[in-house]
Amino acid sequence: DGGITQSPKYLFRKEGQNVTLSCEQNLNHDAMYWYRQDPGQGLRLIYYSQIVNDFQKGDIAEGYSVSREKKESFPLTVTSAQKNPTAFYLCASSKWTGENEKLFFGSGTQLSVL
Amino acid sequence: EDKVVQSPLSLVVHEGDTVTLNCSYEVTNFRSLLWYKQEKKAPTFLFMLTSSGIEKKSGRLSSILDKKELFSILNITATQTGDSAVYLCAVDNNNDMRFGAGTRLTVKP
Repeated sequence: DGGITQSPKYLFRKEGQNVTLSCEQNLNHDAMYWYRQDPGQGLRLIYYSQIVNDFQKGDIAEGYSVSREKKESFPLTVTSAQKNPTAFYLCASSKWTGENEKLFFGSGTQLSVL
Repeated sequence: EDKVVQSPLSLVVHEGDTVTLNCSYEVTNFRSLLWYKQEKKAPTFLFMLTSSGIEKKSGRLSSILDKKELFSILNITATQTGDSAVYLCAVDNNNDMRFGAGTRLTVKP
């Protein structure tokens, strides 16, 4: 079955530690996105990528980094510079055909600070 | 700056009630507006709206877009407890997808 897979489901970070959240899709989608969801604030865009080896900052990119070495994969690293990383992180993908396309979401990763 | 505003932020109703959720937007390069339902984890797609005045319908849910007044509504008739979720509105601005804060709907038996 085609889909988008995030791992792990739960992640704990110690102070000063970098952690990486995985996002893989086998939908052959060109575009991939990372969102952060805090209670009462909806989804905020961290980074997005429309093609391999290229990505753009979203509204809250500070303290995060991404890479897009393969079409299927878009990992997100939460660095020690992100002082308030506790949140629910959602990865999404879509086609990029120039037409309107909906997002497909993964099941998310809940990140907490120890 | 592009923004999407949803109202109300939360809503509690009883089964059988009809609800209307609102989404207003300001974006520089509108392409489409989408509604998603988020029950636990992954948001699931409900509707995509691109043209004004054309209602999209799926069972008890319907939605319509007004591109002149820059808003959309999502209607749910004869609500059921299974409709309890966060409903997210998103606008495609031809670069990325901007989300509103969501409306948390609780349907009581």
